[in-house]
Parts: sequence; structure tokens; C-alpha cells
Amino acid sequence: QQQVKQSPQSLIVQKGGISIINCAYENTAFDYFPWYQQFPGKGPALLIAIRPDVSEKKEGRFTISFNKSAKQFSLHIMDSQPGDSATYFCAARGDGGSQGNLIFGKGTKLSVKP
Amino acid sequence: KAGVTQTPRYLIKTRGQQVTLSCSPISGHRSVSWYQQTPGQGLQFLFEYFSETQRNKGNFPGRFSGRQFSNSRSEMNVSTLELGDSALYLCASSLSYGRVGDYGYTFGSGTRLTVV
Repeated sequence: QQQVKQSPQSLIVQKGGISIINCAYENTAFDYFPWYQQFPGKGPALLIAIRPDVSEKKEGRFTISFNKSAKQFSLHIMDSQPGDSATYFCAARGDGGSQGNLIFGKGTKLSVKP
Repeated sequence: KAGVTQTPRYLIKTRGQQVTLSCSPISGHRSVSWYQQTPGQGLQFLFEYFSETQRNKGNFPGRFSGRQFSNSRSEMNVSTLELGDSALYLCASSLSYGRVGDYGYTFGSGTRLTVV
């Protein structure tokens, strides 16, 4: 069964610290891995995404690290701020065809303490 | 540029009724997907439409259906509502089908459906 496993369920980080969220997948046909950020009352918003031919992608304070052989990827939030407090979801998607949907992890609730 | 618009934002229905939710994608976006979000199951894919055709469907019963119009707007319908259908229903749009890796999905704020 197609699955994306995400950990931890919740995370508390001090302001200025590094937040790290991990995900693992099973289906080697997945070839697009986005991270979404969701605030209460809002829909998920795309943060950053990576293809498996790249081992790392950085956008501002957000970095995705990707390990294709281990089928794992992670989100690092550097210099975490209280405004980063939200729920983060990793996801995976096949490239069109019959796999045209996102498989989401269960989410990580991040709290950044001032 | 307007985002993905979902209407209504909140809805309360009684068991056994049916409901129709609406989604207007970002202008120029042709692919629309629907997701159900619940605390227990998380985000689950319902279906995806492109060029008025359903391209993919998740593991939901036939009570859940959808359609897409020529202007890319989409509706989803749930018939014979059950208490377990209470959820946040999210619509997402993308420029094109099969190339989401380049453009990504943009989600709306969702419709909160409560079944009593």
C-alpha cells in the first residue's frame, strides 16, 4: 500500500533553533516530494519541493534533504521563528498517469517558543 | 492574482442529505484535485480532474463524486451523508496535469462540512 510515514507528530523548538521533520516512503515510482505548511483555518500552502535526482534543495530558511537509497527525505527549518508555528505535511506524487495524486504524511505540529 | 476559491466555507447538513461543494481554480489552472482532511485520517485524495475528465480517483465510496466544467471550475457531491463525512474538504489546482513537479498544487482554504 502506498504510504508516506512522517515523524515526529509534534515538535517544540526554541526561537532560533533548527526544526527537523522526517518522512519515509515506500513506492519507488514516486518522483516528486513537496512539503506543505498549514495554519489553522487555512489550506496547506506549498513550501518547497524536490525531485529525487537532487539530494538537497534550499529556499531561504527551508531545506529539503533527500536520500533516494533510503527512501527518506526531511525538512530542515533554520533559525526557527514563532511565525513558523504551524502543521507541516510531507507528500509524494507520481508523475502523472495513474498516480496523479498526492500521498500525504500525517503531519507534524511545530511550536516555536519565543 | 486570486487564489483557489472554495464555497461555501462552512456547511451543516443532516445525515442522509446530499451536498455540493464548489471550487474555482486559479485563473489559467486546468487541473483540479479534491482532498478530505480529518484529524484521524489526515489528508486523503478524493479525485483529480483535467480537461473535464476524471483522471484519478482515491479510495472513497461511490457516494463521493465530482465533475469539472469547461472553465475548469469543479464541484464535488456527496450523497446520503454519514456522520463520518464530517471533514474539511480541500480543493487544489495546478497549471497542468502530469507536470505538477514544475508548478505544484495550490490549495484553497476548504469547506468545513459538519454532518449532524
